[in-house]
Order: sequence, then C-alpha cells, then structure tokens
Amino acid sequence: SQQGEEDPQALSIQEGENATMNCSYKTSINNLQWYRQNSGRGLVHLILIRSNEREKHSGRLRVTLDTSKKSSSLLITASRAADTASYFCATDAGAGGTSYGKLTFGQGTILTVHP
Amino acid sequence: NAGVMQNPRHLVRRRGQEARLRCSPMKGHSHVYWYRQLPEEGLKFMVYLQKENIIDESGMPKERFSAEFPKEGPSILRIQQVVRGDSAAYFCASSLDSLYGYTFGSGTRLTVV
Repeated sequence: SQQGEEDPQALSIQEGENATMNCSYKTSINNLQWYRQNSGRGLVHLILIRSNEREKHSGRLRVTLDTSKKSSSLLITASRAADTASYFCATDAGAGGTSYGKLTFGQGTILTVHP
Repeated sequence: NAGVMQNPRHLVRRRGQEARLRCSPMKGHSHVYWYRQLPEEGLKFMVYLQKENIIDESGMPKERFSAEFPKEGPSILRIQQVVRGDSAAYFCASSLDSLYGYTFGSGTRLTVV
C-alpha cells in the first residue's frame, strides 16, 4: 500500500449527515494535511495537523491524528451539497527533521453529498 | 494577492512536441513545487525548487523533463518530445514556510494527441 492511503475510496451521503474519511500512512511525518479538489480544479488546503498534535478543528472540519497507528481522520459535520469533492490527505515527511514541502498524497476519497 | 497562477490552463500538444508549463508563486513565496496528477489518481511529487536552485528532483522522470525557477519570472516545467503518457494535470504549489500548508494553483491540463 502507498503512503497516504484514504479510505473509503468513495462515500455517498445525504445533506446534513456527517462524513468521515480515513487516511493511513507508513513513514514518520512532520505533519499531515488535508486538501479538497473539486472536479477538474486545483487543490484547496483545508487543514494541517502537526505530528505532536492529536486533534484540530476548523469550522465544520475535525481532524485527528494517531501517530502510533499512523492514521488520520477527517470529519465533516452537517455536510452540504457544496462539500461534494475529492478529499486527499498528504503527508510531509520532512528532511532533517524539518518540514520540507515534499508531500505524499493518497489517491483520495470521492465524497458525494446529495441534497 | 492573486494566488498561485498557472498557465496555460489547458495545453494540447502532438507527440514529439515540447510543452512548457508556467507557474507564478504567491507574492513573497520563494518555494515552488511541481506535482503531476494522472487520471483518477492522487498527486505525485515531481520537483521542489527555490530561486535559482533545484532542491529535490527525485520525482522527475530522468529524461525529457526539466524544471527551473529563475531569479526573475515564473517557474517553468518543460517536457520535451511529449508522449501520450505525459497527458496529465500538472499542479504547482508555493509556500512561505510549511507551517501554513501550501497554496496550489489550478493546474495545467496537458493532453498529448
């Protein structure tokens, strides 16, 4: 399996429900980031969580990080149709112990939120 | 601040031609990264540049691909003698520092016919 694998590959929910996406990785990291990509568009940075953090919130987003299990989850609460997009996790393993900018992306979770 | 600007948005090249993709980082950002996204896949790191320096090109194919980030002007990703397998979306990102994540451009979609 690859660094930064998302699970599930696709998720279909109704508006108002919560959406949870998981990401697993293999190597030690400096930080883990979540991005969103609308179809045919660029990536939008959602949230960054450092390796010494366990949980982070931003609006309707909640990210957890478990470095012992090398996994992270992204929770979107009270989903909206506009949340429909692909969501990617990306790990920054760093060089020499500092963040480096060389991100390793997973293949993404395609989220569809039905009105 | 216009964000990371990439052009062209779409580029069609015939096999054997050259493709030049341009990326202007956000104002004040001196770190530039290029990624490639094949259909239905995540992004794959290609190269990391700072002004006039290639820091890490471990993701670049050994032949036909080159990148530069000159002292003045945009970063350029150049693909010589394109082949159909080069068809992909190429994204550029820039950063001030990694504490705040990276800002991605909208990408250049290269189609080789």
